[in-house]
Amino acid sequence: DTGVSQDPRHKITKRGQNVTFRCDPISEHNRLYWYRQTLGQGPEFLTYFQNEAQLEKSRLLSDRFSAERPKGSFSTLEIQRTEQGDSAMYLCASSRGGGRGYEQFFGPGTRLTVL
Amino acid sequence: GESVGLHLPTLSVQEGDNSIINCAYSNSASDYFIWYKQESGKGPQFIIDIRSNMDKRQGQRVTVLLNKTVKHLSLQIAATQPGDSAVYFCAETTSGSRLTFGEGTQLTVNP
Repeated sequence: DTGVSQDPRHKITKRGQNVTFRCDPISEHNRLYWYRQTLGQGPEFLTYFQNEAQLEKSRLLSDRFSAERPKGSFSTLEIQRTEQGDSAMYLCASSRGGGRGYEQFFGPGTRLTVL
Repeated sequence: GESVGLHLPTLSVQEGDNSIINCAYSNSASDYFIWYKQESGKGPQFIIDIRSNMDKRQGQRVTVLLNKTVKHLSLQIAATQPGDSAVYFCAETTSGSRLTFGEGTQLTVNP
């Protein structure tokens, strides 16, 4: 069990560009979550998946954001036409889900800087 | 050392002292609570959890107390060490869906 991994760890992009982040959850974890964290604040929920189904999306997830988990394993988060306000740490977490455990384990995050 | 009131952005303690970090949660329907430790530039690290049908749970050097009447959560760290210096967040959830995080407390341990 290697823990949750995220790639890339850092991304610098220019305003208007598209970016995609990847998350690999802990194996056998059914649930996968995306959060966003800005400096000095706690993580804010974006969306989560149960296997390949996207069960909930936050109001924070504008139409420029899309997340997928096509095979119920890894997930991608894409931001189109990035804005400076998108600069943040994007965190992924996974859990067994349901009655098997609610503990969410986080990855190291992807730090996005939009110039 | 103890954070005053329901939220204090910073808490400074001496090495070896006990620390108490407090948190108020908002959703009376939350049934599961977690404390996370976050070091600079890293993702939150799971410390300890507690379900709503419990009022106390102990781990190694850490204890979480839950008071559902006033929707209050606390984290006690015994014999605080310099390696405990970090930001601590409480988080709540209902049935393992989204986590809602508190604002966090910066703990500084002075040698």
